[in-house]
Amino acid sequence: EAGVAQSPRYKIIEKRQSVAFWCNPISGHATLYWYQQILGQGPKLLIQFQNNGVVDDSQLPKDRFSAERLKGVDSTLKIQPAKLEDSAVYLCASSSQDRGLGNTQYFGPGTRLTVL
Amino acid sequence: AQRVTQPEKLLSVFKGAPVELKCNYSYSGSPELFWYVQYSRQRLQLLLRHISRESIKGFTADLNKGETSFHLKKPFAQEEDSAMYYCALSLYNFNKFYFGSGTKLNVKP
Repeated sequence: EAGVAQSPRYKIIEKRQSVAFWCNPISGHATLYWYQQILGQGPKLLIQFQNNGVVDDSQLPKDRFSAERLKGVDSTLKIQPAKLEDSAVYLCASSSQDRGLGNTQYFGPGTRLTVL
Repeated sequence: AQRVTQPEKLLSVFKGAPVELKCNYSYSGSPELFWYVQYSRQRLQLLLRHISRESIKGFTADLNKGETSFHLKKPFAQEEDSAMYYCALSLYNFNKFYFGSGTKLNVKP
């Protein structure tokens, strides 16, 4: 089974610019997560989708971050405008919510964002 | 509120020694606890879940609700166990996920 795909793998932008990340979850996985992982810290959940609806976005800085999952499959995360403190690895994960697997998440390789 | 605490940033042991990575959580309900591992240049992956009560790669973890802990243990560490280990908590009712800050395990030859 193909894993979670993310692109781009690396991105360097200047502050105040915009950037978008793309995620393709494992086929059939209803739940999709976006995390921000700052160097030296654990992943922090930004937003969680169940199909194309938002389950939790309490930690998403909504003044500059937005995310969508229009057809319940792929998702994009956008930052506009970027700040220096947004430099981090952005991880996408998906889970099936299958009774046997519960909330087991499968992670993509991440996108490393550097804001100069 | 800090939901998951991993007090050690770095843990160094010699090959063959026992290892214990500590994880404490704060939640009064019934959480689901996980250990995730990230090997060098690989993606984050599930190591084990408390509800499975299984041993993976020789690692075990027991949920202690009284001490609100979910420590990861292995009796004899191997060099290939060197990696970043993250403890994570999921709240059943609210579907929220919280990760600890991680512990880097270094197993020396």
